[in-house]
Amino acid sequence: GESVGLHLPTLSVQEGDNSIINCAYSNSASDYFIWYKQESGKGPQFIIDIRSNMDKRQGQRVTVLLNKTVKHLSLQIAATQPGDSAVYFCAENRRGYQKVTFGTGTKLQVIP
Amino acid sequence: GAGVSQSPSNKVTEKGKDVELRCDPISGHTALYWYRQSLGQGLEFLIYFQGNSAPDKSGLPSDRFSAERTGGSVSTLTIQRTQQEDSAVYLCASSLANSGNTIYFGEGSWLTVV
Repeated sequence: GESVGLHLPTLSVQEGDNSIINCAYSNSASDYFIWYKQESGKGPQFIIDIRSNMDKRQGQRVTVLLNKTVKHLSLQIAATQPGDSAVYFCAENRRGYQKVTFGTGTKLQVIP
Repeated sequence: GAGVSQSPSNKVTEKGKDVELRCDPISGHTALYWYRQSLGQGLEFLIYFQGNSAPDKSGLPSDRFSAERTGGSVSTLTIQRTQQEDSAVYLCASSLANSGNTIYFGEGSWLTVV
């Protein structure tokens, strides 16, 4: 079965507000957790990843938080813009395995 | 190439026909992946290549599905005797060896079986 899953299928956010997309995982053997963004009609695009021995990583306007105690991952997008509207997938890569396993996705809608 | 290239971008085929989907990975990427995405769904892993060999083909849904990779570069996903449930976007991705956390996707091949 799926080892990663998302709490909410759709998230609506006002432009300029911060967005938080959540993800739960079940496998303690995951080595990397990754966030992808998929715009309509396009392939998924890598946003940011975090290794399992970290609890926070920041990128440009994005922050990923990892809570291993409750097996929870989140993606925070600061000052959400219309161009952030997309489906966001969390994914995991297990130690010793090359494949990446994806969750079902959360659709982020930015309200102008 | 600059990115992962897939062809055709769109394919409409009749039920029972065979289809071939092609993927040209990023130059120098030794790992290549095929995923399937049904409308509004997540990504379903199909098969992974390291070089020309496929260490993990566990996601192929049936024996109608096969894939090969030649010269450590281009890969072809073949679906024989297509069924309507095969309709989906077939996404190819590639990565450097041992960099499974950072894979780069193509735009996908949209397959519709009528």
